[in-house]
Amino acid sequence: AQSVTQLGSHVSVSEGALVLLRCNYSSSVPPYLFWYVQYPNQGLQLLLKYTTGATLVKGINGFEAEFKKSETSFHLTKPSAHMSDAAEYFCAVSPLRGTYKYIFGTGTRLKVLA
Amino acid sequence: EAGVTQFPSHSVIEKGQTVTLRCDPISGHDNLYWYRRVMGKEIKFLLHFVKESKQDESGMPNNRFLAERTGGTYSTLKVQPAELEDSGVYFCASSQGIVDRGEKLFFGSGTQLSVL
Repeated sequence: AQSVTQLGSHVSVSEGALVLLRCNYSSSVPPYLFWYVQYPNQGLQLLLKYTTGATLVKGINGFEAEFKKSETSFHLTKPSAHMSDAAEYFCAVSPLRGTYKYIFGTGTRLKVLA
Repeated sequence: EAGVTQFPSHSVIEKGQTVTLRCDPISGHDNLYWYRRVMGKEIKFLLHFVKESKQDESGMPNNRFLAERTGGTYSTLKVQPAELEDSGVYFCASSQGIVDRGEKLFFGSGTQLSVL
């Protein structure tokens, strides 16, 4: 069965430090890959996505992610954390191309320390 | 432009009662999805409408859940009778088209359902 694993339900980083949120997936076919962010009392917002083409994908708010097929990974990074990055982050795959029938990971709550 | 709107934002009901959640997608969006997150676990797909038709309802947990989208506009998700394990956050999302055409999926802020 297809699945998404996010290592670390809670991650803390200092302001200005590197943010690394891990996501690994299992899929019988190369899926579409997504990262979403949820701020308190808001809906999920798309940070970035990989469908085809360049494996390093840049998103909003300075985030980027790299699709590594050999490692079945799609880790999210940001060089320098900002207090406003504190939120919950979700990795998702869309194994059925053309639909938004996502399989989500369990989420990682990012805390940014002053 | 208004986003995806969900009502109510919170609902607390007793086991055995009925609850109806409503979702208003972005105007003109044919695709409407329901998802659910239970107790901090992963967000799980429930079903997908294309206009008023159920395209895929493979994620609906059981026959206590009924989703409708009359007229292809807003959608309702009814739980009858509610059980304790139905507690969670119910998200609605909509899109104009499909991923392959670069269309984005827009999420509502969710309905927090608590069954006591």
